[in-house]
Amino acid sequence: GQNIDQPTEMTATEGAIVQINCTYQTSGFNGLFWYQQHAGEAPTFLSYNVLDGLEEKGRFSSFLSRSKGYSYLLLKELQMKDSASYLCAVQAGTALIFGKGTTLSVSS
Amino acid sequence: DAGITQSPRHKVTETGTPVTLRCHQTENHRYMYWYRQDPGHGLRLIHYSYGVKDTDKGEVSDGYSVSRSKTEDFLLTLESATSSQTSVYFCAISVLSSGGEVKAGGLADTQYFGPGTRLTVL
Repeated sequence: GQNIDQPTEMTATEGAIVQINCTYQTSGFNGLFWYQQHAGEAPTFLSYNVLDGLEEKGRFSSFLSRSKGYSYLLLKELQMKDSASYLCAVQAGTALIFGKGTTLSVSS
Repeated sequence: DAGITQSPRHKVTETGTPVTLRCHQTENHRYMYWYRQDPGHGLRLIHYSYGVKDTDKGEVSDGYSVSRSKTEDFLLTLESATSSQTSVYFCAISVLSSGGEVKAGGLADTQYFGPGTRLTVL
């Protein structure tokens, strides 16, 4: 079957660093994606990984280990506007398979 | 901005009535998708299309049909709406990542989402 696991909720303070983990078991793998979704809005694309290793994009980085079925999203210098849900998704064939999302709350 | 619009943005309807949601894109993307998002389930694929008149089922296709008579429009129809179909519906298109750049090791096809339609079935 297809399974993607990520923590339901996380909290952090402004200026801190937070790591959101994602583990997956899927029947195929063409890439792993991270999306950000603010309440009441559409998901917006943050990053993707195809090969093992770290991809850095400003304050956000994403890591992938295909052998371990594991990824994380690292958010640095947290800001209040980073309070949102973060969705991990695996592309298996044509479809994107999503985890249930991690709700991050950033406090001052 | 991937040029995706959805209509209507909000709809309240009654059980047993037909409902059609529209997704419109302006950039000639070949692949289009319909997802639903529910608390505790995340985003789940309903149907997708890989060209005009070419569609296929996703994970939760029961009770839904789709049509794509032209590249820019992908319609999702609930023939007889039920309360279990109360949800937020997102349309998506896919493009090659990085504006077409080929990344070492292969291609990954990034999906971009429309603003969503909130459907309530009473």
